[in-house]
Amino acid sequence: AQKITQTQPGMFVQEKEAVTLDCTYDTSDPSYGLFWYKQPSSGEMIFLIYQGSYDQQNATEGRYSLNFQKARKSANLVISASQLGDSAMYFCAMRANSGGSNYKLTFGKGTLLTVNP
Amino acid sequence: NAGVMQNPRHLVRRRGQEARLRCSPMKGHSHVYWYRQLPEEGLKFMVYLQKENIIDESGMPKERFSAEFPKEGPSILRIQQVVRGDSAAYFCASSPEGWVAYGYTFGSGTRLTVV
Repeated sequence: AQKITQTQPGMFVQEKEAVTLDCTYDTSDPSYGLFWYKQPSSGEMIFLIYQGSYDQQNATEGRYSLNFQKARKSANLVISASQLGDSAMYFCAMRANSGGSNYKLTFGKGTLLTVNP
Repeated sequence: NAGVMQNPRHLVRRRGQEARLRCSPMKGHSHVYWYRQLPEEGLKFMVYLQKENIIDESGMPKERFSAEFPKEGPSILRIQQVVRGDSAAYFCASSPEGWVAYGYTFGSGTRLTVV
């Protein structure tokens, strides 16, 4: 079974500063993928970034980077130069990359990020 | 190229009524996944369908919930005799195959309110 833990219910950051959103995971699958999604107040789920468990480098997508520490089972999202539009709920998710259920995502409970002007 | 389309965006039903949620996958996608988001929770997997087949319904409540993805038309998530606890956001995602290298594209969701 897979489990995602997001220990920060809410985070605040000043505009233009960087912020780290924590995510730890637990799985027995040898190959897996880690995802971050953004859910603004309008409600849609927006895919941000993906990290494969065997990827050698940490994933980056524009202002988003994923700080992947495999031994610690953590996959923290780093947002650089925060913008007011980054205020949203952020979800960490994972899935197995092999086996019979490799289509199924397991989500954490999310972290509400507020960017202050 | 339209994304995953869900309708309605908002749905209000009285206890005991039926709710029908529709999901049109992205063009060329024949795999559909439904997730439910209860208040202040992350999304939870409900069901995975291919055209005319249910592949995995392990996340579906045993009673009152059903899903279909016919040969023609959208995928439908049907909730019979709704109760207050069914109030949630229901999201649909689609893919061209059963495994996608990167993130699945979700629709904007249907927010069901049972009064």
